[in-house]
Amino acid sequence: DAKTTQPPSMDCAEGRAANLPCNHSTISGNEYVYWYRQIHSQGPQYIIHGLKNNETNEMASLIITEDRKSSTLILPHATLRDTAVYYCIVLNDKIIFGKGTRLHILP
Amino acid sequence: DARVTQTPRHKVTEMGQEVTMRCQPILGHNTVFWYRQTMMQGLELLAYFRNRAPLDDSGMPKDRFSAEMPDATLATLKIQPSEPRDSAVYFCASGLVQGRSGDIQYFGAGTRLSVL
Repeated sequence: DAKTTQPPSMDCAEGRAANLPCNHSTISGNEYVYWYRQIHSQGPQYIIHGLKNNETNEMASLIITEDRKSSTLILPHATLRDTAVYYCIVLNDKIIFGKGTRLHILP
Repeated sequence: DARVTQTPRHKVTEMGQEVTMRCQPILGHNTVFWYRQTMMQGLELLAYFRNRAPLDDSGMPKDRFSAEMPDATLATLKIQPSEPRDSAVYFCASGLVQGRSGDIQYFGAGTRLSVL
């Protein structure tokens, strides 16, 4: 079973920051948090991952709380092309995808 | 631009027929994964290989499914005999696993299978 909890759907206005939350209260000390997204009928795409510290790359930022029980993926300036299902995953032995959050970007 | 290549992209077959799906992982990657995606079940991990050796196939129905890596450039997923409930999109992914932080997976475009 997936070790994460995400809201099933979210809306965000185009050009605004999209903040996608993820709860992983049972995470262990050496488990990483990974984020992937899946645009309709394509294969999932890696976005970012982290262990303890906040991370940023060209796609997004990842904020992990100090107790590591939750995290937030931030898309700083959402565009219509960011419409997708976003998966938050805690990597143990293997990746298990949950239901994810369906993000709708509103024009 | 390196990418995972899956063939065929679409397959329509009749119940009872054998289906073979192929995957060419990214050159240099040491781990290959097979997933199945349906509306009801979402993305399910079927099996994965590291350095061509099967590590976990617990998600795969053993009676009809088989996965192999005949060489480092080819992974296959075979269904024999196929059933309508096997209709799904099958994704292959590859990655270069080097400890806990190197588990980024790169997915192919998938094979959309319809079993009539």
